[in-house]
Amino acid sequence: ETGVTQSPTHLIKTRGQQVTLRCSSQSGHNTVSWYQQALGQGPQFIFQYYREEENGRGNFPPRFSGLQFPNYSSELNVNALELDDSALYLCASSGGQGPSYEQYFGPGTRLTVT
Amino acid sequence: TQLLEQSPQFLSIQEGENLTVYCNSSSVFSSLQWYRQEPGEGPVLLVTVVTGGEVKKLKRLTFQFGDARKDSSLHITAAQPGDTGLYLCAGVTNSGYALNFGKGTSLLVTP
Repeated sequence: ETGVTQSPTHLIKTRGQQVTLRCSSQSGHNTVSWYQQALGQGPQFIFQYYREEENGRGNFPPRFSGLQFPNYSSELNVNALELDDSALYLCASSGGQGPSYEQYFGPGTRLTVT
Repeated sequence: TQLLEQSPQFLSIQEGENLTVYCNSSSVFSSLQWYRQEPGEGPVLLVTVVTGGEVKKLKRLTFQFGDARKDSSLHITAAQPGDTGLYLCAGVTNSGYALNFGKGTSLLVTP
């Protein structure tokens, strides 16, 4: 069974640029959630995708957007990068939507905005 | 805004000591999870507690969910250097699906 994988592992971007992060969900999982973890903080929920549709969203502006593909992999896109977007971006997959499904995390992508 | 407050924020102890980490909230959760995260890695799920008053044991780790499902604790017996890491609690509300994380407790166990 393959776990959750994310790419790239590290990324450096300049303020104002755009970035795309990728996530492959664990085998058999159809739901992907994205979290932002700033230094010294717990992860903050960005949004969740279930069967290719956005299922819910946290308190993040519209310049944070995403996609889920038919194979349940996912992308997180961030436009007009700001310095405060520097963080570890975590992807988590689960077997379904709803609180009864446990979420399993990937290793994250470390984004630095200069 | 963090729905869950964790304490202590930092903990440095010697091998063999016992410790307890607390996770408190004014919100009710349908379930609560504990994760351990090492630097540069994603959180790894340790346990999920669902029923108020539930106690789960995982080797030297004991997890308890409060009767009202608003708080939880993690107790480690005879801590080892391999227990070093960031311990995160995360709750899911009855109406939601997103994990609401605390800020975490950073534990350092020295030989």
